[in-house]
Amino acid sequence: EAGVTQFPSHSVIEKGQTVTLRCDPISGHDNLYWYRRVMGKEIKFLLHFVKESKQDESGMPNNRFLAERTGGTYSTLKVQPAELEDSGVYFCASSPNVGDTQYFGPGTRLTVL
Amino acid sequence: AQSVTQPDIHITVSEGASLELRCNYSYGATPYLFWYVQSPGQGLQLLLKYFSGDTLVQGIKGFEAEFKRSQSSFNLRKPSVHWSDAAEYFCAVGVYNQGGKLIFGQGTELSVKP
Repeated sequence: EAGVTQFPSHSVIEKGQTVTLRCDPISGHDNLYWYRRVMGKEIKFLLHFVKESKQDESGMPNNRFLAERTGGTYSTLKVQPAELEDSGVYFCASSPNVGDTQYFGPGTRLTVL
Repeated sequence: AQSVTQPDIHITVSEGASLELRCNYSYGATPYLFWYVQSPGQGLQLLLKYFSGDTLVQGIKGFEAEFKRSQSSFNLRKPSVHWSDAAEYFCAVGVYNQGGKLIFGQGTELSVKP
């Protein structure tokens, strides 16, 4: 069974540009989570989908971040326009049900110059 | 508010020595606790979890952790460290009345001396 995959693995962009990160969860997992780790800080929750619905987006930093999960399969996280403080590693995780173990992807390292 | 503290940012141990990584949590109800490991270039891998029952939990790669409610702790242990255990370790609490999101500690980076 394939694990959680994320694309790209690295992205380097300039301030003001747009970047879209993609996460493919494990097949059949209804729950999808996004997390972020800014350098030197802890991993922080961004948002949670159940199928295609946003259940909790309390961790989204501001309205420059937009997450979607069309069809309840893969998810995208768009940052527009990117700022320097958006640099970090963005992790995606999925689980079959709330309360089950979350399986993490390898992360996308975003660098904003 | 829920929080997790890992007091040690970086630990160095000799190969073959025992290991204990500390984790303290703040949570208003019975916590769901996790330890994840991230090796260089890899994603987060679950080592073990505590939901209920026996407070000593066995995980993969020879790791174990003990839940101590009175101390609000969930320390990770291994009796004999291998060079391949060098990685970053994260303790987390699951907030299941808020959709299951995880609250992470700051992480502890483990170096292993030959």
